[in-house]
Amino acid sequence: QSVLTQPPSASGTPGQRVTISCSGSSSNIGSNTVNWYQQFPGTAPKLLIYSNNQRPSGVPDRFSGSKSGTSASLAISGLQSEDEADYYCAAWDDNLNGYVFGTGTKVTVL
Amino acid sequence: QVTLKESGPALVKPTQTLTLTCTFSGFSLSTSGMRASWIRQPPGKALEWLARIDGDEDKFYSTSLKTRLTISKDTSKNQVVLTMTNMDPVDTATYYCARGRGSIFFDYWGQGTLVTVSS
Repeated sequence: QSVLTQPPSASGTPGQRVTISCSGSSSNIGSNTVNWYQQFPGTAPKLLIYSNNQRPSGVPDRFSGSKSGTSASLAISGLQSEDEADYYCAAWDDNLNGYVFGTGTKVTVL
Repeated sequence: QVTLKESGPALVKPTQTLTLTCTFSGFSLSTSGMRASWIRQPPGKALEWLARIDGDEDKFYSTSLKTRLTISKDTSKNQVVLTMTNMDPVDTATYYCARGRGSIFFDYWGQGTLVTVSS
């Protein structure tokens, strides 16, 4: 029942740039900031990007976020093998009065 | 150092009530802007937000699960408790608690606890 739509998968070779899209609506992405989480198998998600484009301390600057209208994107520049993980976008939804996650994107490093 | 840890039963039977406790340290829910949420993830599926509680006792619930969920906190014990009634096998998932901040992002997460619903 995710209300934010992401592509199921994305891939690239080491060093390439990979972009993941996140499509929402006026009540979530259109009205509130977007956050991104990275999750490795069997572990808890980790905050990767908050407030659309802010990186928490320790997150490499090859990760960047952007937002336009009711969509957002996560870009990974200089893809590395350790970036292979699942990525989720998320935002508060004013209509639902709750937090919504994206459908998730699995990034594979070829 | 901020830490959160979930605890509760690993196995519950259908129709039973699940009670999960999140014990945290390194912050106080009494601090302005601090919040705590529960999030779950069925095996192989996406994350699903369940509930949130703020320091001022404001509570928010997933629309689809609202009738089954109750979130509460014990500030003196640094704990947040989630109860979910009428458990069903589809509720089998890893349940996480997380610290929420600002415009709502989760900067610290517990390790998660797997709850299986089966008779």
